[in-house]
Amino acid sequence: GAGVSQSPSNKVTEKGKDVELRCDPISGHTALYWYRQSLGQGLEFLIYFQGNSAPDKSGLPSDRFSAERTGGSVSTLTIQRTQQEDSAVYLCASSLSSDSYNEQFFGPGTRLTVL
Amino acid sequence: GENVEQHPSTLSVQEGDSAVIKCTYSDSASNYFPWYKQELGKRPQLIIDIRSNVGEKKDQRIAVTLNKTAKHFSLHITETQPEDSAVYFCAASRRAAGNKLTFGGGTRVLVKP
Repeated sequence: GAGVSQSPSNKVTEKGKDVELRCDPISGHTALYWYRQSLGQGLEFLIYFQGNSAPDKSGLPSDRFSAERTGGSVSTLTIQRTQQEDSAVYLCASSLSSDSYNEQFFGPGTRLTVL
Repeated sequence: GENVEQHPSTLSVQEGDSAVIKCTYSDSASNYFPWYKQELGKRPQLIIDIRSNVGEKKDQRIAVTLNKTAKHFSLHITETQPEDSAVYFCAASRRAAGNKLTFGGGTRVLVKP
C-alpha cells in the first residue's frame, strides 16, 4: 500500500517568507508526528497529533512554527517569517495510534533551504 | 525531558565483523526503544525495537539489548555486509506521552568489503 508522502520534496525560500509543508499519512493511521533533521544532526521532535485530541506542541522551537491536521488525515506544518536556522529536512511520520507500541513510518521528507 | 546519547558517532568495520552501537537515556519512565536505519538520501526505517519489559530481542543478524537499571541499550549487528552501511539512530519514548521519539545523534556505519 501507499506509504507516508510529503510535498514538496524540496523548498527554497527567502528569509522572512512563510512556507507550508504537507504530509499525507498512511490511511487509517490516527497518529501523526513531525520531526526535523538538521544537517549532520539527529532527528528532533516537533509536534504530534492523535485522532481529534489537541496536538502536543511541546517540541516546536518558536511561535513561528504551527501545524494543523484536517479531518484526521492530511497535516500541514507552517513556518512563518523563515530564518536561515530553519533550514533542515522536515520529516513526517504516522502510526496506527500513539497509545501503543506502534511503529512510526516516515515519509521522504521536505528539504527546506532558507536563503 | 528525555535525553538520548549515542556512541560512537562513526564506526568502520570489515565485512563479516560485528558492529555494536550503544545508547543511554535519562528518563527512567521511557518504555519503548526503536532503532532506525537511514541510508543516504532515504527516509529512516525501523529495523528493530524493544519494550522495557524485555531484556533482549533478535531478528536474524540484528539484536538489541536493554539494561533498564543502567538506562542503556545497544544494537548488535553480526556478520556485517556492505548493505549494512548507513546511519543508525536509537530512540526512546514513553507510551503514556504519545510515543514521541527522542533520538540519539546517530552512528554512521561503514562496512568495508
